[in-house]
Amino acid sequence: GAGVSQSPSNKVTEKGKDVELRCDPISGHTALYWYRQSLGQGLEFLIYFQGNSAPDKSGLPSDRFSAERTGGSVSTLTIQRTQQEDSAVYLCASSPDLAGAGEQFFGPGTRLTVL
Amino acid sequence: SQQGEEDPQALSIQEGENATMNCSYKTSINNLQWYRQNSGRGLVHLILIRSNEREKHSGRLRVTLDTSKKSSSLLITASRAADTASYFCALRSNDYKLSFGAGTTVTVRA
Repeated sequence: GAGVSQSPSNKVTEKGKDVELRCDPISGHTALYWYRQSLGQGLEFLIYFQGNSAPDKSGLPSDRFSAERTGGSVSTLTIQRTQQEDSAVYLCASSPDLAGAGEQFFGPGTRLTVL
Repeated sequence: SQQGEEDPQALSIQEGENATMNCSYKTSINNLQWYRQNSGRGLVHLILIRSNEREKHSGRLRVTLDTSKKSSSLLITASRAADTASYFCALRSNDYKLSFGAGTTVTVRA
């Protein structure tokens, strides 16, 4: 079966532009997570979605970041007015449900470069 | 939320040797997970150990957890070139978030 997919795999943009990053979770997984990983660092939690519940946005670094999940499946992370410090790999993960064992299945990530 | 701290930051070993890395944390956890990351892209789940477990094995991997010392170790036995990667511990507390450390970079020399 297909794993988590993300698109694009690489994105180069100019400072000030908006970008949209897409995540397709594993079919049937109700929980979806976004993380950011700067060069040589660990993962920074951004946001998670669980079914129809209100998302936990506590990790979003600023109001330039937003995310939505349509139909409980595909998710889009939007960064408005990008800054150079937004350059990072953005990773999406899904899991069967939040109350489960906690294993997360990761996509390959989107490498964002802001010039 | 807390982060795990891995030690060492980097490790270089000869093929066939064992690799050991440690993760320490500060507050209580529900479980602790180890992930592997190749080439700075997606992470692969390796093993999960619950707070009431002390040791788990999976193939060439052995994980221990000492909740009194708030630390965990990951042992990779008989290392191979394909084990070259970054290894992260991830802490799961009751708020269902996973908190990742900065990772240990392992290089296995042929």
